[in-house]
Amino acid sequence: NAGVTQTPKFRILKIGQSMTLQCTQDMNHNYMYWYRQDPGMGLKLIYYSVGAGITDKGEVPNGYNVSRSTTEDFPLRLELAAPSQTSVYFCASSYPRLAGSSYNEQFFGPGTRLTVL
Amino acid sequence: AQRVTQPEKLLSVFKGAPVELKCNYSYSGSPELFWYVQYSRQRLQLLLRHISRESIKGFTADLNKGETSFHLKKPFAQEEDSAMYYCALSGETGANNLFFGTGTRLTVIP
Repeated sequence: NAGVTQTPKFRILKIGQSMTLQCTQDMNHNYMYWYRQDPGMGLKLIYYSVGAGITDKGEVPNGYNVSRSTTEDFPLRLELAAPSQTSVYFCASSYPRLAGSSYNEQFFGPGTRLTVL
Repeated sequence: AQRVTQPEKLLSVFKGAPVELKCNYSYSGSPELFWYVQYSRQRLQLLLRHISRESIKGFTADLNKGETSFHLKKPFAQEEDSAMYYCALSGETGANNLFFGTGTRLTVIP
């Protein structure tokens, strides 16, 4: 299994450009997540999805959009890139967490380093 | 609101010395606490969780609800322990989401 894969590894955007960060997992996980990590900071949740067709906002969703048309894919869209979106983006996936049960381990991708100039 | 605090951005210890990475949290309910680790050129991965109460790679962490702490400890540091360590919290509600601290970079000096 490849686990969680992300493309591209690196990207430089100009202000105002748009792009899609791709994330695919082959573990048949229902849950998927997008995080961003700014220099010297922890990971912050942008969006998450508990299954195909269902997405929800995390802590820092502004400036981003997501879709979940299949179990495997969870792309993250930046419509109008801004310098504040310069960050490393991590995608993760996990099994569902049932009501009253413990957290299920999230498995992370290698990250996409995005610079907006 | 939940918060995870790791007061040390950088920590250096000599090989064979004890190491403690500090983590404090703020959460109104009963959270689950974790330590994640990222070795150089590797992915972020789960190191251990408080409910398991186990030792992984010689590391242990005890949840102290009175002090709201979850410090990571190892009695004898090894060079291969050099990595970035993140403390994280998952609440009792929600979709399995994690809240991360800012991380501590541990360097073990040979």
